Formats: sequence, C-alpha cells, structure tokens
Amino acid sequence: DAKTTQPNSMESNEEEPVHLPCNHSTISGTDYIHWYRQLPSQGPEYVIHGLTSNVNNRMASLAIAEDRKSSTLILHRATLRDAAVYYCILVGANSKLTFGKGITLSVRP
Amino acid sequence: ETGVTQSPTHLIKTRGQQVTLRCSSQSGHNTVSWYQQALGQGPQFIFQYYREEENGRGNFPPRFSGLQFPNYSSELNVNALELDDSALYLCASSIRDFYNEQFFGPGTRLTVL
Repeated sequence: DAKTTQPNSMESNEEEPVHLPCNHSTISGTDYIHWYRQLPSQGPEYVIHGLTSNVNNRMASLAIAEDRKSSTLILHRATLRDAAVYYCILVGANSKLTFGKGITLSVRP
Repeated sequence: ETGVTQSPTHLIKTRGQQVTLRCSSQSGHNTVSWYQQALGQGPQFIFQYYREEENGRGNFPPRFSGLQFPNYSSELNVNALELDDSALYLCASSIRDFYNEQFFGPGTRLTVL
C-alpha cells in the first residue's frame, strides 16, 4: 500500500483557516486521496476525497498538487468542533483504508 | 436513514475466551469493513465483506473471523482472546467502489484481562 506522511500535530486559532498537509510521493495513478477525521471517543468520519482536481464540499476543500505527490486539506474557518485527528489515506481498487497516525489538530479559542 | 450501529458499546473478557461483536450497516450499503484501533494509534484494517463473501484481509490471524448476513449486518468473531486484542473495534459500511466514502460506527471497546 502506498504510504502517506503527515506532521504529528498542528495548532490553529478559532475562525482562522487551517491547511493540513500530506505527502504521498509513491501514489499510483489509480489511487484516490481520502481524508477522514476522528473526534475524541468517536469513529472516523469521512471528510473529502479527490483524484486529480481540487475538490470542495460543505466541510472542507482538498487541494491536490499537479504531480499528485502531495495534497492539502483546507478548513476555511476552524471551529472548536474541528479539533480532531485528521487522516490522509490513499485508496486503491481494493477500497481498503490504511490509516497512519494522522495529524492532531488543536483549535485555540 | 439510520447510521451504522455497533453492539455492545463496551465489553470485558478474559484471556482465552471468545467474543462476537455486531454491526448494523447503513441502509443500502453492501460492503462492510472491520478495523482494530489500539490506544493512540490509527485504525488497522482487519477484513472486508462484500455480499456475504470475504473480500480482502489485513494482517490478522485466522482467529479473527467474520460474517456478513443477507440484510448486510455483520459480525466479527475473535477466538482465544489475547491481552493485545484489547482495542476499539470499528465497523464501516459503504457501497462497493474504491472512491466511495465509508461510514463508521461508534465502535466497541473490548478489554481483555
């Protein structure tokens, strides 16, 4: 399985944008880039996914580099409820999610 | 539309015992995946079922087994429990396609003493 690399943690201020980076230099042409987050004491929650083009939904935006070797999850206005562990995952044809340790986002009031 | 539910919420077993965990998939979903999450770690893929057949397995021994039923509910069975099996067990349902999102349940916290 292709791997992803994320920083261990990041801090942000409430109501400011947050950019969460992810490196995936060994991504294959058919791998989708998925982001999930896990709030304390809950199961993971789907955030967004993309293949080549940038994507937007009600939760976040996903910016994908032209060579697809990196991507950035963008939360436009962080809230206290966004404090969670965010996982960047490459998903291939077997649809198996291979989680790393993720990045822990802390949001300051 | 109900989400993914799991039972029980918490469970305590002793080493050597057997345990069955249950998952009810989201309506319309034909695929269920099971994950094990140790404290402080990301979830690890155990296996996936699609239309009642195992459709992929992670690096877990055969004492971890599963079933998926015609109504797409699912069970995870673990035999000969070991202390290291203590973890949060998560199930996730989806419509089979690798670009589709998976919907996770809240998990079952298993403690093995």
